[in-house]
Amino acid sequence: AQSVTQLGSHVSVSEGALVLLRCNYSSSVPPYLFWYVQYPNQGLQLLLKYTSAATLVKGINGFEAEFKKSETSFHLTKPSAHMSDAAEYFCAVRSGGYQKVTFGTGTKLQVIP
Amino acid sequence: DVKVTQSSRYLVKRTGEKVFLECVQDMDHENMFWYRQDPGLGLRLIYFSYDVKMKEKGDIPEGYSVSREKKERFSLILESASTNQTSMYLCAGGDRVNEQFFGPGTRLTVL
Repeated sequence: AQSVTQLGSHVSVSEGALVLLRCNYSSSVPPYLFWYVQYPNQGLQLLLKYTSAATLVKGINGFEAEFKKSETSFHLTKPSAHMSDAAEYFCAVRSGGYQKVTFGTGTKLQVIP
Repeated sequence: DVKVTQSSRYLVKRTGEKVFLECVQDMDHENMFWYRQDPGLGLRLIYFSYDVKMKEKGDIPEGYSVSREKKERFSLILESASTNQTSMYLCAGGDRVNEQFFGPGTRLTVL
């Protein structure tokens, strides 16, 4: 079985501040992990993915995430928030060899000017 | 640039109607997925297909069926729409290893 928990359905940060969105996963086999972003009235697009290579993964728009097996975490960070980062972010897990992806419930990021 | 298109952005139907949501991908991907998205619940998998004419139930298949007659097209069918099926429906395509590519979504309202 696989599952994802995203802590905090809403996160607010000031423009220029650090962004930290939390994701913890559960998987019985080595996982593939993803972060997606959804802007209003749009579908999801991939920010970054972990597929068992480097544990620190860099994505688009200055985001990165670190896979920590001991903590079963895959938190998303960005050093300096921009107004355009306001969106909903989804963490997702796929257990190796299994085609189904399980998504978290999402975190809405608000950026305050 | 990969693309997944959905037949409608907004759809309004009446209770009891049969509803078809169409999805087309131009990526030649084996897998296609239908999700529904509701506030506070994230994305929940309805059905997915890993090959033409093949389908598997996801987490919430009740009240839905699917059809995949061609590799690029995956249809979601609501046999008799109900108000609790009012939601955002997202289609995605993907290969065996990597990420999924999503369409823009169809916001369905059932009155």
